[in-house]
Amino acid sequence: SYELTQPPSVSVSPGQTARITCSGDALPNRNAYWYRQKSGQAPVVVIYKDSERPSGIPERFSGSSSGTTVTLTISGVQAEDEADYYCQSADSSGTCWVFGGGTKLTVL
Amino acid sequence: QVQLQESGPGLVKPSETLSLTCGVSGYSIGSGYYWGWIRQPPGRGLEYIGSIYYSGTTFNNPSLKSRVTMSVDTSKNQFSLKVGSVTAADTAVYYCARQNCTGGSCYFDQWGQGTLVTVSS
Repeated sequence: SYELTQPPSVSVSPGQTARITCSGDALPNRNAYWYRQKSGQAPVVVIYKDSERPSGIPERFSGSSSGTTVTLTISGVQAEDEADYYCQSADSSGTCWVFGGGTKLTVL
Repeated sequence: QVQLQESGPGLVKPSETLSLTCGVSGYSIGSGYYWGWIRQPPGRGLEYIGSIYYSGTTFNNPSLKSRVTMSVDTSKNQFSLKVGSVTAADTAVYYCARQNCTGGSCYFDQWGQGTLVTVSS
């Protein structure tokens, strides 16, 4: 089955830049999406179609894509950004949606 | 503002069938979109279960497909999930969500709050 691979954890100090990667063989041909999940809450999309930001999401959140890797970048990290982040895309069939294993962002 | 709310038993016995319903308000599910189910075992990541269109067309995660049944009731503006022959591995928070698809690319743009289902005797 298709898999998206994320680092289990990323740690940064407030004000620094956090980068979370997601790798998958089908990513060159599929859009990627990023979700933020705070403890005890449902996920919320923060980036769609690789790099688009929904209304209400701060400008410090950005996304990029290069080959088989997509990256979520959070510039000027704030304490409130501490959460689990998941990437999501589709497999080669385009009809089975897959989530990465998740990355816990810790703000030191 | 569309809102989704999961409902169903919080405890299911092993080998029995897990049944959940997602009520939708603020949007008529017969107007479009796919409607999906995602689950999250305690302390673990998200797993896509499947999606259904108002017409009844479904997409499924192959790893669960043989045990999953989904249905939609446009008159009640709700959709449902059944997972058969459950084991402890099916213990999870189950989320329903609206699946936003454009140009063949889909993501989940609105989520319910989730409901914990525990499989135990």
